[in-house]
Amino acid sequence: ETGVTQSPTHLIKTRGQQVTLRCSSQSGHNTVSWYQQALGQGPQFIFQYYREEENGRGNFPPRFSGLQFPNYSSELNVNALELDDSALYLCASRRTGGTEAFFGQGTRLTVV
Amino acid sequence: DAKTTQPPSMDCAEGRAANLPCNHSTISGNEYVYWYRQIHSQGPQYIIHGLKNNETNEMASLIITEDRKSSTLILPHATLRDTAVYYCIVRGTDSWGKFQFGAGTQVVVTP
Repeated sequence: ETGVTQSPTHLIKTRGQQVTLRCSSQSGHNTVSWYQQALGQGPQFIFQYYREEENGRGNFPPRFSGLQFPNYSSELNVNALELDDSALYLCASRRTGGTEAFFGQGTRLTVV
Repeated sequence: DAKTTQPPSMDCAEGRAANLPCNHSTISGNEYVYWYRQIHSQGPQYIIHGLKNNETNEMASLIITEDRKSSTLILPHATLRDTAVYYCIVRGTDSWGKFQFGAGTQVVVTP
């Protein structure tokens, strides 16, 4: 039990649609990161938020965006979905000064 | 962040120690070695991390060579529940949020 909860667990969307994935972290975890994991591969870093501002981004296009809220929840938004966006999306949170990141169970997104 | 190299797979008998190697020959002085594992279709689970000294916790031991170019994760008494993909990651203090995952090592524990 990591204290990081993601919703929904599974989602099916049509190409071109928009999707919002949610993550709820433990109290005091001011840093949240999002990852995309395609089948058979390791997770790939999308971006990180600290105190509601993006402060690091991986090699993902602007149609991947996020929000972080004061209540330790966060969102990943993906616009104009493509078939290759089908993946497991993971969020990870870390408390200020902590060295470990705790991952949620992920949201399995399927784009058809 | 430095890249890591791990064997793609390894088998281990239940009850025996599992020794998982990781090469990180380009590691720099301020980079930590982290180990996570991922059981099928679940989120990665933190195992252990270290800088230069060997570390031990209730899950595993981490042995880092003196030159820090490689490390070994030791699961002292493997169980069937330890079957998972194990990721060795090197991360600096200036990129706290970004874990650069490789392909990891698929460990299968057999009865």
